[in-house]
Amino acid sequence: EAGVAQSPRYKIIEKRQSVAFWCNPISGHATLYWYQQILGQGPKLLIQFQNNGVVDDSQLPKDRFSAERLKGVDSTLKIQPAKLEDSAVYLCASSPLSGGPLAYEQYFGPGTRLTVT
Amino acid sequence: AQSVAQPEDQVKVAEGNPLTVKCTYSVSGNPYLFWYVQYPNRGLQFLLKYITGDNLVKGSYGFEAEFNKSQTSFHLKKPSALVSDSALYFCAVRQGGSARQLTFGSGTQLTVLP
Repeated sequence: EAGVAQSPRYKIIEKRQSVAFWCNPISGHATLYWYQQILGQGPKLLIQFQNNGVVDDSQLPKDRFSAERLKGVDSTLKIQPAKLEDSAVYLCASSPLSGGPLAYEQYFGPGTRLTVT
Repeated sequence: AQSVAQPEDQVKVAEGNPLTVKCTYSVSGNPYLFWYVQYPNRGLQFLLKYITGDNLVKGSYGFEAEFNKSQTSFHLKKPSALVSDSALYFCAVRQGGSARQLTFGSGTQLTVLP
């Protein structure tokens, strides 16, 4: 079974530029998450999708961050314009719907390391 | 609000010795508890979870964790550490039966010395 795919793996941009990250979840997983992991901290949830609907985006800085999950499969996270404090690893995760032995388990991609200079 | 504390930024143990990585949590109602491991330049990998049932949970790679409701703890343990266990470990919690999502601790860097 293929894992969660993310691209690019690394990105360096200047402040005020825009950037986009892509995620393809595990086939059949209905729920998709985007996390921000700042160096030395645990991941922080930015947004959660179930199929193509948003379940939770309470911690997404909506003035500069946006995300979409068209057709309920892959997803894109965008930052425009970027700030220095956006430097972090952006992790995508997916999980099946609740129920069964895999309930509540999230499967993470390798992440995209963003450096804003 | 729900929260997780990992009181030790770093843990060092000798290979073959038992290891413990500590985690305490705060959440309303019944907790769902998780341990994840992160190797350099890789995403998080699921190790084990406690949802309900037996307080001692066994997971991947010989790891186990004990849920202690009175102490609100969920410490990760392994009887005999391997050098390859060296990694960053995260504890996470969510409120059971709710739509609230995972809250992660700040992580503990485990180093197993040969």
